[in-house]
Amino acid sequence: GENVEQHPSTLSVQEGDSAVIKCTYSDSASNYFPWYKQELGKGPQLIIDIRSNVGEKKDQRIAVTLNKTAKHFSLHITETQPEDSAVYFCAASSTGGFKTIFGAGTRLFVKA
Amino acid sequence: DAGVIQSPRHEVTEMGQEVTLRCKPISGHDYLFWYRQTMMRGLELLIYFNNNVPIDDSGMPEDRFSAKMPNASFSTLKIQPSEPRDSAVYFCASRAGGDDGYTFGSGTRLTVV
Repeated sequence: GENVEQHPSTLSVQEGDSAVIKCTYSDSASNYFPWYKQELGKGPQLIIDIRSNVGEKKDQRIAVTLNKTAKHFSLHITETQPEDSAVYFCAASSTGGFKTIFGAGTRLFVKA
Repeated sequence: DAGVIQSPRHEVTEMGQEVTLRCKPISGHDYLFWYRQTMMRGLELLIYFNNNVPIDDSGMPEDRFSAKMPNASFSTLKIQPSEPRDSAVYFCASRAGGDDGYTFGSGTRLTVV
Protein backbone atom coordinates (compact mmCIF):
# COMPACT_ATOMS: atom_id res chain seq x y z
CA GLY A 1 0.00 0.00 0.00
CA GLU A 2 0.92 3.67 -0.03
CA ASN A 3 3.71 4.58 2.33
CA VAL A 4 5.69 7.68 3.32
CA GLU A 5 9.01 7.18 5.07
CA GLN A 6 10.56 10.07 6.99
CA HIS A 7 14.09 10.50 8.33
CA PRO A 8 15.52 11.21 10.79
CA SER A 9 13.11 10.53 13.62
CA THR A 10 14.99 12.95 15.87
CA LEU A 11 17.21 15.87 14.91
CA SER A 12 19.14 18.16 17.21
CA VAL A 13 20.85 21.31 15.90
CA GLN A 14 22.45 24.43 17.30
CA GLU A 15 20.59 27.68 16.94
CA GLY A 16 21.55 29.28 13.64
CA ASP A 17 22.40 26.00 11.94
CA SER A 18 20.34 24.43 9.15
CA ALA A 19 18.05 21.43 9.53
CA VAL A 20 17.07 19.00 6.78
CA ILE A 21 14.31 16.41 6.95
CA LYS A 22 13.87 13.89 4.15
CA CYS A 23 10.90 11.84 2.98
CA THR A 24 10.26 9.22 0.35
CA TYR A 25 6.89 8.09 -0.96
CA SER A 26 5.72 4.99 -2.75
CA ASP A 27 2.59 6.03 -4.70
CA SER A 28 3.63 7.37 -8.10
CA ALA A 29 0.21 9.05 -8.40
CA SER A 30 1.06 11.40 -5.52
CA ASN A 31 1.28 15.00 -6.70
CA TYR A 32 0.79 17.11 -3.58
CA PHE A 33 3.31 17.18 -0.71
CA PRO A 34 2.50 19.25 2.39
CA TRP A 35 4.62 19.71 5.49
CA TYR A 36 3.10 20.17 8.93
CA LYS A 37 4.58 21.47 12.18
CA GLN A 38 3.16 20.19 15.46
CA GLU A 39 3.96 22.00 18.68
CA LEU A 40 3.37 20.43 22.07
CA GLY A 41 -0.32 20.17 22.90
CA LYS A 42 -1.45 21.45 19.51
CA GLY A 43 -2.64 20.03 16.24
CA PRO A 44 -0.41 19.85 13.17
CA GLN A 45 -0.19 23.14 11.28
CA LEU A 46 0.47 23.40 7.55
CA ILE A 47 3.70 25.36 7.03
CA ILE A 48 4.53 24.82 3.37
CA ASP A 49 3.54 22.58 0.48
CA ILE A 50 4.75 21.71 -2.99
CA ARG A 51 3.08 20.28 -6.05
CA SER A 52 4.59 17.86 -8.53
CA ASN A 53 4.94 20.45 -11.28
CA VAL A 54 7.42 22.37 -9.13
CA GLY A 55 10.90 21.29 -8.06
CA GLU A 56 11.50 23.77 -5.27
CA LYS A 57 9.53 26.26 -3.20
CA LYS A 58 10.77 28.72 -0.60
CA ASP A 59 9.07 30.75 2.11
CA GLN A 60 11.45 32.86 4.19
CA ARG A 61 13.61 30.42 6.19
CA ILE A 62 11.94 27.24 5.00
CA ALA A 63 12.19 25.55 1.64
CA VAL A 64 10.99 22.30 0.15
CA THR A 65 12.47 20.36 -2.74
CA LEU A 66 10.91 17.57 -4.74
CA ASN A 67 12.48 14.91 -6.93
CA LYS A 68 9.58 13.08 -8.58
CA THR A 69 11.81 10.65 -10.41
CA ALA A 70 13.36 9.43 -7.19
CA LYS A 71 10.15 9.97 -5.17
CA HIS A 72 12.02 12.07 -2.66
CA PHE A 73 11.10 15.37 -1.06
CA SER A 74 12.82 17.36 1.66
CA LEU A 75 12.25 20.21 4.09
CA HIS A 76 15.09 22.66 4.70
CA ILE A 77 15.07 25.12 7.58
CA THR A 78 17.86 27.70 7.61
CA GLU A 79 19.02 29.88 10.51
CA THR A 80 17.11 27.73 12.98
CA GLN A 81 15.65 29.33 16.09
CA PRO A 82 14.47 27.79 19.38
CA GLU A 83 10.86 28.34 18.33
CA ASP A 84 11.44 25.98 15.41
CA SER A 85 11.58 23.14 17.95
CA ALA A 86 8.59 20.91 17.22
CA VAL A 87 7.59 17.70 15.45
CA TYR A 88 7.52 17.99 11.67
CA PHE A 89 5.44 15.71 9.45
CA CYS A 90 5.74 15.24 5.73
CA ALA A 91 2.77 13.92 3.77
CA ALA A 92 1.81 12.88 0.27
CA SER A 93 -1.48 12.72 -1.55
CA SER A 94 -2.92 12.69 -5.03
CA THR A 95 -5.12 15.44 -6.42
CA GLY A 96 -7.93 16.14 -4.01
CA GLY A 97 -5.93 15.09 -0.96
CA PHE A 98 -8.50 12.58 0.20
CA LYS A 99 -5.98 9.95 1.13
CA THR A 100 -3.17 11.97 2.62
CA ILE A 101 -0.49 9.65 3.94
CA PHE A 102 1.67 11.08 6.72
CA GLY A 103 5.25 10.27 7.59
CA ALA A 104 6.07 9.16 11.13
CA GLY A 105 7.38 12.60 12.10
CA THR A 106 10.73 14.19 13.00
CA ARG A 107 11.25 15.69 16.41
CA LEU A 108 13.47 18.75 15.92
CA PHE A 109 15.35 20.25 18.86
CA VAL A 110 17.03 23.62 18.37
CA LYS A 111 19.53 24.31 21.14
CA ALA A 112 20.09 27.92 22.11
CA ASP B 1 -12.02 32.59 12.08
CA ALA B 2 -11.63 30.54 15.28
CA GLY B 3 -10.28 27.57 13.34
CA VAL B 4 -11.35 23.97 13.86
CA ILE B 5 -12.79 23.60 17.34
CA GLN B 6 -12.70 20.31 19.20
CA SER B 7 -14.16 19.39 22.57
CA PRO B 8 -13.36 18.24 25.09
CA ARG B 9 -9.59 18.88 25.18
CA HIS B 10 -9.08 16.03 27.63
CA GLU B 11 -11.27 13.04 28.45
CA VAL B 12 -10.60 10.38 31.04
CA THR B 13 -13.08 7.54 31.17
CA GLU B 14 -13.39 4.03 32.47
CA MET B 15 -13.23 1.02 30.24
CA GLY B 16 -16.66 0.14 28.89
CA GLN B 17 -18.01 3.66 28.97
CA GLU B 18 -19.25 5.55 25.94
CA VAL B 19 -17.11 8.43 24.74
CA THR B 20 -18.21 11.19 22.37
CA LEU B 21 -15.75 13.58 20.77
CA ARG B 22 -16.97 16.72 19.05
CA CYS B 23 -15.76 18.88 16.20
CA LYS B 24 -16.77 22.14 14.58
CA PRO B 25 -15.03 22.64 11.22
CA ILE B 26 -14.13 25.95 9.65
CA SER B 27 -17.16 27.56 8.06
CA GLY B 28 -17.21 26.91 4.32
CA HIS B 29 -14.93 23.87 4.47
CA ASP B 30 -16.75 20.97 2.88
CA TYR B 31 -14.35 18.19 3.87
CA LEU B 32 -13.95 16.93 7.42
CA PHE B 33 -11.44 14.33 8.58
CA TRP B 34 -11.01 12.42 11.84
CA TYR B 35 -7.47 11.29 12.70
CA ARG B 36 -6.02 9.34 15.61
CA GLN B 37 -2.45 9.93 16.78
CA THR B 38 -0.42 7.49 18.84
CA MET B 39 3.30 7.05 19.37
CA MET B 40 3.21 3.60 17.84
CA ARG B 41 1.10 4.28 14.75
CA GLY B 42 1.51 8.01 14.15
CA LEU B 43 -1.34 9.84 12.42
CA GLU B 44 -4.05 7.49 11.17
CA LEU B 45 -7.04 8.58 9.10
CA LEU B 46 -10.20 7.13 10.61
CA ILE B 47 -12.94 8.57 8.41
CA TYR B 48 -13.67 11.56 6.24
CA PHE B 49 -16.82 13.36 5.12
CA ASN B 50 -17.63 15.46 2.06
CA ASN B 51 -20.64 17.75 2.31
CA ASN B 52 -21.69 15.90 5.49
CA VAL B 53 -21.65 12.49 3.77
CA PRO B 54 -19.19 9.81 4.96
CA ILE B 55 -16.96 8.95 2.02
CA ASP B 56 -14.36 6.56 3.41
CA ASP B 57 -14.51 4.90 6.81
CA SER B 58 -12.01 2.16 6.05
CA GLY B 59 -9.73 3.48 8.78
CA MET B 60 -12.26 3.03 11.55
CA PRO B 61 -10.68 0.30 13.65
CA GLU B 62 -13.76 -1.54 14.85
CA ASP B 63 -17.52 -1.43 15.04
CA ARG B 64 -17.11 0.21 18.41
CA PHE B 65 -16.23 3.39 16.53
CA SER B 66 -18.83 5.48 14.74
CA ALA B 67 -18.89 8.99 13.31
CA LYS B 68 -21.65 11.32 12.23
CA MET B 69 -21.93 14.71 10.60
CA PRO B 70 -25.54 15.87 10.97
CA ASN B 71 -24.80 19.28 9.45
CA ALA B 72 -21.99 21.31 7.93
CA SER B 73 -20.88 22.75 11.26
CA PHE B 74 -20.76 19.72 13.54
CA SER B 75 -19.35 16.21 13.66
CA THR B 76 -19.02 13.57 16.38
CA LEU B 77 -16.81 10.55 16.85
CA LYS B 78 -18.22 8.01 19.26
CA ILE B 79 -16.56 5.03 20.89
CA GLN B 80 -18.83 2.51 22.58
CA PRO B 81 -17.68 0.63 24.58
CA SER B 82 -14.27 2.24 25.12
CA GLU B 83 -11.14 0.17 25.78
CA PRO B 84 -7.70 1.13 27.16
CA ARG B 85 -6.14 0.64 23.70
CA ASP B 86 -8.33 3.48 22.41
CA SER B 87 -6.23 5.91 24.45
CA ALA B 88 -4.77 8.41 21.98
CA VAL B 89 -5.09 11.98 20.75
CA TYR B 90 -7.96 12.36 18.30
CA PHE B 91 -7.79 15.17 15.78
CA CYS B 92 -10.43 16.66 13.58
CA ALA B 93 -9.36 18.53 10.43
CA SER B 94 -11.24 20.37 7.74
CA ARG B 95 -10.44 21.47 4.21
CA ALA B 96 -12.00 23.61 1.55
CA GLY B 97 -12.95 21.82 -1.64
CA GLY B 98 -10.61 23.78 -3.85
CA ASP B 99 -7.64 23.48 -1.54
CA ASP B 100 -5.37 20.63 -0.48
CA GLY B 101 -3.98 21.62 2.90
CA TYR B 102 -5.79 20.67 6.09
CA THR B 103 -6.56 22.80 9.11
CA PHE B 104 -6.36 20.68 12.25
CA GLY B 105 -8.06 21.28 15.56
CA SER B 106 -6.15 21.16 18.84
CA GLY B 107 -7.19 17.57 19.46
CA THR B 108 -8.85 15.58 22.23
CA ARG B 109 -6.56 13.55 24.46
CA LEU B 110 -8.49 10.43 25.42
CA THR B 111 -7.40 8.22 28.29
CA VAL B 112 -9.34 5.02 28.96
CA VAL B 113 -8.51 3.43 32.30
